[in-house]
Amino acid sequence: GAGVSQTPSNKVTEKGKYVELRCDPISGHTALYWYRQSLGQGPEFLIYFQGTGAADDSGLPNDRFFAVRPEGSVSTLKIQRTERGDSAVYLCASSQGPLSYNEQFFGPGTRLTVL
Amino acid sequence: AQSVTQPDIHITVSEGASLELRCNYSYGATPYLFWYVQSPGQGLQLLLKYFSGDTLVQGIKGFEAEFKRSQSSFNLRKPSVHWSDAAEYFCAVAASGGSYIPTFGRGTSLIVHP
Repeated sequence: GAGVSQTPSNKVTEKGKYVELRCDPISGHTALYWYRQSLGQGPEFLIYFQGTGAADDSGLPNDRFFAVRPEGSVSTLKIQRTERGDSAVYLCASSQGPLSYNEQFFGPGTRLTVL
Repeated sequence: AQSVTQPDIHITVSEGASLELRCNYSYGATPYLFWYVQSPGQGLQLLLKYFSGDTLVQGIKGFEAEFKRSQSSFNLRKPSVHWSDAAEYFCAVAASGGSYIPTFGRGTSLIVHP
């Protein structure tokens, strides 16, 4: 079946603009995760949803970052007043349930460039 | 908080040679440990994981890793590397209990020479 998909694959924006990044998880996966991967670094956790609610948002760097998952499926990561330091690849992953028993499946990422 | 160190930024091997990628973690209790592979334009893929039990873990694509508590290490090995193994490899650690969300190392880039 289909894997995790992310749109757009690339996004170029100007400093100060607002952007939305979309993640479509694998059908039936209740858990969804957002990570940010800067150049030369490993993925850095941002936020985790279990169903519609954010179970852990401790990785969001500041209040410019926000994510929603209103129907427990598709999620949108929203970044306000973008800064050049926000440039990175934003990864989404989903799992069937808790990671103690289930594997995370990652999407290909959205490369965000802030000029 | 847990952390991971991957001391090698790049590793170059010849096709057919053996491979060992190093990973050291920092965590006060028994960790959950993972190795992921990331090929260009692809999402991360789980190679193997250690939660408990046998400290030698077998994974996909012929990879294995050994958990050594005394050395706080979880090195990834493969006896014979194929050109298609060229990719970025990430070690990750998660705290036991809670949401088990992994903390990743910075990665090791594997280059395979023909």
